[in-house]
Amino acid sequence: AQKVTQAQTEISVVEKEDVTLDCVYETRDTTYYLFWYKQPPSGELVFLIRRNSFDEQNEISGRYSWNFQKSTSSFNFTITASQVVDSAVYFCALSEDSNSGYALNFGKGTSLLVTP
Amino acid sequence: DADVTQTPRNRITKTGKRIMLECSQTKGHDRMYWYRQDPGLGLQLIYYSFDVKDINKGEISDGYSVSRQAQAKFSLSLESAIPNQTALYFCATSDKGVTTDTQYFGPGTRLTVL
Repeated sequence: AQKVTQAQTEISVVEKEDVTLDCVYETRDTTYYLFWYKQPPSGELVFLIRRNSFDEQNEISGRYSWNFQKSTSSFNFTITASQVVDSAVYFCALSEDSNSGYALNFGKGTSLLVTP
Repeated sequence: DADVTQTPRNRITKTGKRIMLECSQTKGHDRMYWYRQDPGLGLQLIYYSFDVKDINKGEISDGYSVSRQAQAKFSLSLESAIPNQTALYFCATSDKGVTTDTQYFGPGTRLTVL
């Protein structure tokens, strides 16, 4: 079963618009970790943020912000005033303490296109 | 220089051929992982290693094998490549010492099996 769901397959916005990428996860663990990665057209995976299950504080980093809500099992990512360079595929991922390999369970990704 | 490197970056091979993908890291991390990415499917774990003597299968290990030659090197082999192994392969590393630490990815190897 898919543990991380990114329901939005593709999003297209015009530069300077705000955009929110949704991530819903499923776990029975009380201790777990959530991540966001960015994959630009060049193909590499760039780490953006890590959040543990005990820290529900929202985080802001420049134009990026993350909203973690355990009540709805969501970890959404908002880009404010989007730019063309934000065009990429964004992955949400889950790591569970019960998973002995601590491997990341990835969602299928959301492809974001920002046009001028 | 990149912390996690993968060679080759691109490879085209034929069905039945043996191929090895290599990963090296200078981050000093103990844990290393191999994932494959197929279009629209996210990444799936092939193998992972916590140290040189500790290697474990991931969710899609069939058709693959690995070798941890040193703390810094982790190789993935396809003994007899088949077309549905055409994918983008990523190596990742993370630090030991905490239950889960951030995984840092190499640039990827694009493999095509004809």
